[in-house]
Amino acid sequence: AQSVTQLDSQVPVFEEAPVELRCNYSSSVSVYLFWYVQYPNQGLQLLLKYLSGSTLVKGINGFEAEFNKSQTSFHLRKPSVHISDTAEYFCAVSGSNDYKLSFGAGTTVTVRA
Amino acid sequence: ETGVTQSPTHLIKTRGQQVTLRCSSQSGHNTVSWYQQALGQGPQFIFQYYREEENGRGNFPPRFSGLQFPNYSSELNVNALELDDSALYLCASSRDGQEIQETQYFGPGTRLLVL
Repeated sequence: AQSVTQLDSQVPVFEEAPVELRCNYSSSVSVYLFWYVQYPNQGLQLLLKYLSGSTLVKGINGFEAEFNKSQTSFHLRKPSVHISDTAEYFCAVSGSNDYKLSFGAGTTVTVRA
Repeated sequence: ETGVTQSPTHLIKTRGQQVTLRCSSQSGHNTVSWYQQALGQGPQFIFQYYREEENGRGNFPPRFSGLQFPNYSSELNVNALELDDSALYLCASSRDGQEIQETQYFGPGTRLLVL
């Protein structure tokens, strides 16, 4: 079974500052990793995913994440945030032979002017 | 291309009642997954339907059941509602349940309140 730990429940950040959201996973098998964003009163939108290949993954809206197998981490970064990035961010994992996503508890990002 | 839609958007029920939530998958998708998101938590996998058959189930009791129809739309039924069933219920569709790397596209959810 796979599980995800998001190390920060809330991250306040000023506009145009960088942000990093931390995600660690545990699994006994090869995994696929995902970051989703949830804006208020909306469903989840995929930001990016890691399946294989390059460990640096680029996603939408200027986000990127780096897969680190030795540290079992998949941290999400953005070099300069906007007010519109205020949202809940979820890291998720699935086993390579699995069909379900296991989500972390989420990180609330609040961007202030 | 039409995205994933869910109905109703909000619902209030009382303990012991039954509820049916509906999901229309994105065009071209044959797989639907249901998740429960309690307040302040991440989504929890309930089950997945692929070509009208249940393709896997999470740690939810049998009173949570589902259906998938020939047009790949889906229903989630919950019997004997309990207070802890209050949550946002998310539906996600994808192109092929056999290929996990296919992205799951989520609908806006149905918020259920059980009193």
